[in-house]
Amino acid sequence: KAGVTQTPRYLIKTRGQQVTLSCSPISGHRSVSWYQQTPGQGLQFLFEYFSETQRNKGNFPGRFSGRQFSNSRSEMNVSTLELGDSALYLCASSPPALFPDEQFFGPGTRLTVL
Amino acid sequence: DQQVKQNSPSLSVQEGRISILNCDYTNSMFDYFLWYKKYPAEGPTFLISISSIKDKNEDGRFTVFLNKSAKHLSLHIVPSQPGDSAVYFCAASAGHNAGNMLTFGGGTRLMVKP
Repeated sequence: KAGVTQTPRYLIKTRGQQVTLSCSPISGHRSVSWYQQTPGQGLQFLFEYFSETQRNKGNFPGRFSGRQFSNSRSEMNVSTLELGDSALYLCASSPPALFPDEQFFGPGTRLTVL
Repeated sequence: DQQVKQNSPSLSVQEGRISILNCDYTNSMFDYFLWYKKYPAEGPTFLISISSIKDKNEDGRFTVFLNKSAKHLSLHIVPSQPGDSAVYFCAASAGHNAGNMLTFGGGTRLMVKP
């Protein structure tokens, strides 16, 4: 089974631009979660989508948004980029489960904002 | 305000000895805890978990201990192997009601010396 894939792997943008990151979950997984990893803040939860609906949302400004398509693929968008948005963005997919054991992470998209 | 803390940024142990990684949490709503391992340029990989109804869970060389009254958990790796060298993240969840939303600690870099 193919793992979680994220595109692009690396991205360089300038302040004020917007960016869209893509995540393809493992086949059969309907839940997709997004996390931001920075040296100062560690891994922080952005949001989770399940069956095209946002199920949970972390404490991030409205500039961060996401969506999920009917095939479970997900995108996240960051508008009006700031220097502090430079981070590794990780996507994780999960099969239906009672507890969040089986979150499978992709390799991440490294975003650099200049 | 970090709800999950890993106070040791790094830990170095000799091959064959025990590695003990610690994690503290503040939110009493957390009732499910997980450990993830992360190698460079890869996403985190699930290692082991524990429910708050237990105080210990074992899986091969890995054992997680939970002390609810102290809001503390630890991961023991015995015996440690050089391949265990990675960054270890502790994560917590408020159970199935939280979906797949995880709160992560800042991580501990483990180095196992041959």
